[in-house]
Order: sequence, then structure tokens, then C-alpha cells
Amino acid sequence: QKEVEQDPGPLSVPEGAIVSLNCTYSNSAFQYFMWYRQYSRKGPELLMYTYSSGNKEDGRFTAQVDKSSKYISLFIRDSQPSDSATYLCAMKRQGAQKLVFGQGTRLTINP
Amino acid sequence: GAVVSQHPSRVICKSGTSVKIECRSLDFQATTMFWYRQFPKKSLMLMATSNEGSKATYEQGVEKDKFLINHASLTLSTLTVTSAHPEDSSFYICSASAPGQRSYNEQFFGPGTRLTVL
Repeated sequence: QKEVEQDPGPLSVPEGAIVSLNCTYSNSAFQYFMWYRQYSRKGPELLMYTYSSGNKEDGRFTAQVDKSSKYISLFIRDSQPSDSATYLCAMKRQGAQKLVFGQGTRLTINP
Repeated sequence: GAVVSQHPSRVICKSGTSVKIECRSLDFQATTMFWYRQFPKKSLMLMATSNEGSKATYEQGVEKDKFLINHASLTLSTLTVTSAHPEDSSFYICSASAPGQRSYNEQFFGPGTRLTVL
């Protein structure tokens, strides 16, 4: 079993839709949870980061962490064509340097 | 701030040659740099972690004699793919982190280098 599981998609939705992206994980020691966005042939860029459980909102993006279920989500409201990219979840343990990534979900927002 | 560059962005080489990829932190001192490999439509696979002035720590299954990593300064790390073969063709991405602003030591990623071995 992989430490972090993420549905690779692809996911295609119309512009303006609410997008829900999810990851599950098996290691209860993970404390830091990140979402990265990666455009084609580019490096990942950090979108959201959450420590432990709870919600975090930044503009159109909301990150949720449910540690009891070992489940994290990223919601994108009012999705735009420019949001089309691969979204990767990542997580790490307290004190660890290493990030563990999900497989990434390819998202396309259709105008 | 927190910009990481990679050079070259793209390289094509013949089988058996060695290729060096540079990763630089442009506006901060990176105590730790990471090298990842990414296959098409796949996630990032960590290859090694390097701390400035120390030998790199390689992930299980990564050949350290094949992928030479040098982190000689706080702003530069290099990855050398020795005697490259077609199966080494991939997208190589570095990231850099430094203690400071965020408690989890955020990693800042470079734009990646696409290696094609003929």
C-alpha cells in the first residue's frame, strides 16, 4: 500500500464549477499537509499548506485535513481555465525533511 | 523571493555520456536541497537529499554511483547522471529549503530539466 493515494484522474469540469481533489494516507505520523500545482513541464508551486487538522482558506482555494479519517481535500471555487494543471498533495512528519507526494490529479477546466 | 533555478532546462545527449544539471537558490541560502525524478503523468520520486557540505542521502533503489550529487555551497547543488542510458530519460526537478519563515521548512522547486538520452 502506498503511503499517499491520490486519484490520477484526469478530471475535466466546466468553467465556474467547484472542484474537489482528495488524497488519503496511511501514516498517522504525518503532520504537515501541502497542495502543489504543477503546470505542464514546470516545477511544482505551493498552493496551500496546513498543519494538523482543520480548514484553511485562501481566495478561491480551501484545504481541509481530517486526521481521524486520514483524508485531505482541496476545493477550488469558481474554477478558471487557468486552474488547468496537475495538482499534487504532499505530506511530511514533524521534524522530517522528506515530502511524500501523491500521484497527482490532472485537472482541466473547460471554457 | 525564494526562487530556485535549474540549468539546463532541456538536454539531449548520446548514450554513454555524462550530463550535469545545476540547481541554484537565487535569493536565499539553502541548507538542504532535494533531487526528484518525474516520469510522464507520474508523481515526483525523491532521489536524494543533500545538506551543504555533507554527502547526499540517497533513497532506496537509487544508484549513488549513477547519480552523483554535489552540494558544495549554500546556493548550488549539482546532479550528474553518469554514463546515461535511454532509461535515464526523465524530468529531473530540484528543490531547496532553509530554516526560517515556516515551521515546516518549505521546499521551493526549480522549473525542472528534461533529459533525453538517445
